[in-house]
Amino acid sequence: EPEVTQTPSHQVTQMGQEVILRCVPISNHLYFYWYRQILGQKVEFLVSFYNNEISEKSEIFDDQFSVERPDGSNFTLKIRSTKLEDSAMYFCASTDPRGQYFGPGTRLTVT
Amino acid sequence: QKEVEQDPGPLSVPEGAIVSLNCTYSNSAFQYFMWYRQYSRKGPELLMYTYSSGNKEDGRFTAQVDKSSKYISLFIRDSQPSDSATYLCAMSELGTGNQFYFGTGTSLTVIP
Repeated sequence: EPEVTQTPSHQVTQMGQEVILRCVPISNHLYFYWYRQILGQKVEFLVSFYNNEISEKSEIFDDQFSVERPDGSNFTLKIRSTKLEDSAMYFCASTDPRGQYFGPGTRLTVT
Repeated sequence: QKEVEQDPGPLSVPEGAIVSLNCTYSNSAFQYFMWYRQYSRKGPELLMYTYSSGNKEDGRFTAQVDKSSKYISLFIRDSQPSDSATYLCAMSELGTGNQFYFGTGTSLTVIP
């Protein structure tokens, strides 16, 4: 069965550095999402993306965040200047009429 | 503002029991409801996706939505040790493309 995939599984970076998290959504899905989950807390919506533009974004998704679909398969989340509080699991998801399907996540650790 | 409330548990039941998991919400505009299962340090796995009020059944899982009470439930029949996980509810006003709001999750342990 098709799955959402994400790379890397774990990313360690220093505060102030840029990181790019990568996702390959399920191939025939049209809507893509990024969520984050700080350890022990709720899954929080960051952004949704459709037809090569942002559909909706949350208050968390400020100017340090950006998303891109650079080709027909990849969907990326860039954090321009990481902060300690950006440490979390970042999940990519894509949807079809049956629901929203999550990838395995990237654990981002900012030191 | 706490959009979605979910009892974090932990909930511990014997194998074969019927499990009831619940969420309440404050936004009467929510129309799309999902239940996920999440194993430790893994991505949420979609279990059920429902629209508006009513029941939906899939194998051992039944999802119920009561919009008048702003209350949703997930029932697991004949629970198995492999059902041990955290169960998340999520909901949205407009569904696809729209923000989904998640509960904190309920931790379930099924004891053999």
